Amino acid sequence: EAQVTQNPRYLITVTGKKLTVTCSQNMNHEYMSWYRQDPGLGLRQIYYSMNVEVTDKGDVPEGYKVSRKEKRNFPLILESPSPNQTSLYFCASRPTGFTEAFFGQGTRLTVV
Amino acid sequence: DQQVKQNSPSLSVQEGRISILNCDYTNSMFDYFLWYKKYPAEGPTFLISISSIKDKNEDGRFTVFLNKSAKHLSLHIVPSQPGDSAVYFCAASGTGNQFYFGTGTSLTVIP
Repeated sequence: EAQVTQNPRYLITVTGKKLTVTCSQNMNHEYMSWYRQDPGLGLRQIYYSMNVEVTDKGDVPEGYKVSRKEKRNFPLILESPSPNQTSLYFCASRPTGFTEAFFGQGTRLTVV
Repeated sequence: DQQVKQNSPSLSVQEGRISILNCDYTNSMFDYFLWYKKYPAEGPTFLISISSIKDKNEDGRFTVFLNKSAKHLSLHIVPSQPGDSAVYFCAASGTGNQFYFGTGTSLTVIP
């Protein structure tokens, strides 16, 4: 089944404790991206990657890192999480060009 | 600065009637637009798209209209069904790399 898988689905952590949210897709898509969804702000793009070893900042990259060492994986790293990073995070993938994206089921992150 | 805006946070419609969801954008460089549907505890799923060379795209009960001069697009659902109750996001892109989403409209279809 074609899918984008995020882990974990739920995470509560403390300020400053490094964490990684994993994202994997099985559709051989070149393009992957991360979004955060906050009330009243919709979905905002954090980082995106056009292909292996190619990443670029989205609208809200501060406090986040990403890497794209393999085509299928695109982890989101929070080196020192802060409470303002409490949010619902989505990973997405799609082929290159003007096409629709496939989203993961989301990761609910709470930073206390 | 929100480049894509959905000014109606919520909409209620009777089953069988038309649902019209609206979206406005500010960047004239956007040339590809999409609508996504999102159920609680799930990721958004693609619904329908339109490129700027068209002013209408239809897929079954769903039609998207694009008015480039007004920088406005709308999604029409006819007839509306209870299973259509969800949050709808519009999204836009100019380069195909960065996508900008609206804040979403929560649609409730009343049986």
